[in-house]
Amino acid sequence: AQKVTQAQTEISVVEKEDVTLDCVYETRDTTYYLFWYKQPPSGELVFLIRRNSFDEQNEISGRYSWNFQKSTSSFNFTITASQVVDSAVYFCALSEAQTGGFKTIFGAGTRLFVKA
Amino acid sequence: DSGVTQTPKHLITATGQRVTLRCSPRSGDLSVYWYQQSLDQGLQFLIQYYNGEERAKGNILERFSAQQFPDLHSELNLSSLELGDSALYFCASSVALAGTDTQYFGPGTRLTVL
Repeated sequence: AQKVTQAQTEISVVEKEDVTLDCVYETRDTTYYLFWYKQPPSGELVFLIRRNSFDEQNEISGRYSWNFQKSTSSFNFTITASQVVDSAVYFCALSEAQTGGFKTIFGAGTRLFVKA
Repeated sequence: DSGVTQTPKHLITATGQRVTLRCSPRSGDLSVYWYQQSLDQGLQFLIQYYNGEERAKGNILERFSAQQFPDLHSELNLSSLELGDSALYFCASSVALAGTDTQYFGPGTRLTVL
């Protein structure tokens, strides 16, 4: 069965610190997709990144970077030089094929507080 | 703005009632997904439609049903409402069916059951 674990419930950092959000997933499928979403205080869900199970290339996009390791079933997300505007809940998600479609499971989320 | 619209934004109703939530996907998107976000259950996938057909099902209660119409908008019907159904209901859309497709989320409908 699918499972996504975000062990960090809340993280508090001071502006300009680097912060890593952890995500561990469980799946029996060999083909699956991983996502990170951000939910700021305004409530909308914003897509950040997706990875498929065949693409372990890590990526840096501005202040964001992702570390996907199949060997440890982890898909961690790092914000470099955090800013107050990064304060949000961050969700890791796993999508697997279900007959005819795709089912997505979200982790419980990590609430990030960035203090000025 | 993701391009996904949801109405109404807020809905307050009583236990036992029935409500309909509406979602219009981004222009060109064929897949629509429904999610429920509550404090105790977190974000849960309910159901996915693709071009009018149900394609994947999650933890959707039998009291809930959905459909996608020929113009691709979707409705989520919640009946015999209980206090525990109070939640934020999100709709998302994507271009096609592939797992690699990015899902773009609407602003949500906040349902309060009194």
